[in-house]
Amino acid sequence: GAGVSQSPRYKVAKRGQDVALRCDPISGHVSLFWYQQALGQGPEFLTYFQNEAQLDKSGLPSDRFFAERPEGSVSTLKIQRTQQEDSAVYLCASSLLIFGEISGNTIYFGEGSWLTVV
Amino acid sequence: AQKVTQAQTEISVVEKEDVTLDCVYETRDTTYYLFWYKQPPSGELVFLIRRNSFDEQNEISGRYSWNFQKSTSSFNFTITASQVVDSAVYFCALSSGTYKYIFGTGTRLKVLA
Repeated sequence: GAGVSQSPRYKVAKRGQDVALRCDPISGHVSLFWYQQALGQGPEFLTYFQNEAQLDKSGLPSDRFFAERPEGSVSTLKIQRTQQEDSAVYLCASSLLIFGEISGNTIYFGEGSWLTVV
Repeated sequence: AQKVTQAQTEISVVEKEDVTLDCVYETRDTTYYLFWYKQPPSGELVFLIRRNSFDEQNEISGRYSWNFQKSTSSFNFTITASQVVDSAVYFCALSSGTYKYIFGTGTRLKVLA
């Protein structure tokens, strides 16, 4: 597609429920990122994929968070046993180039998945 | 440590006024990149500009202009003759030597008709 596509756009989960958020990056983009944006804050880095390889997951808040990109295109962010502090917008972004080749590469964001845990 | 500060939480202007959004950054790296993104109510972060640390030339794109000053570690964004459609949250971000972006907390701009 023309841009980064995320689904669902809105998700209300009961505390303790598992959720899965999907990201479809821009076609041909090698790099894929997940960011978390709490209300009134800027996005914060969660994890980075280069093709299917997860090269950095240092930003994942706990072991309840898991991300995958098995075929190097679509990615899923899974949150197990959701808690109220998980309520946030989860933004996916992609980039054409591999980082390390050209630093400071521009990344393009989707509209985000708005998660509310009640 | 890397940090981006957007001290202005919210700004309100009347349509056709000029407005400047401030961004101050901190990094020890000599090579780094600065970005501005716009986040309308729909939630998507829309890329506006990228600037590298070796290019201090100011840039103008239509009603938008950016002033990069390494001496004060600032990368300010000015909208000339603001319009209601400019209403959004604007984020400044820093990337230095890594794929991670460090975002500021954003400035909410309200343009009143």
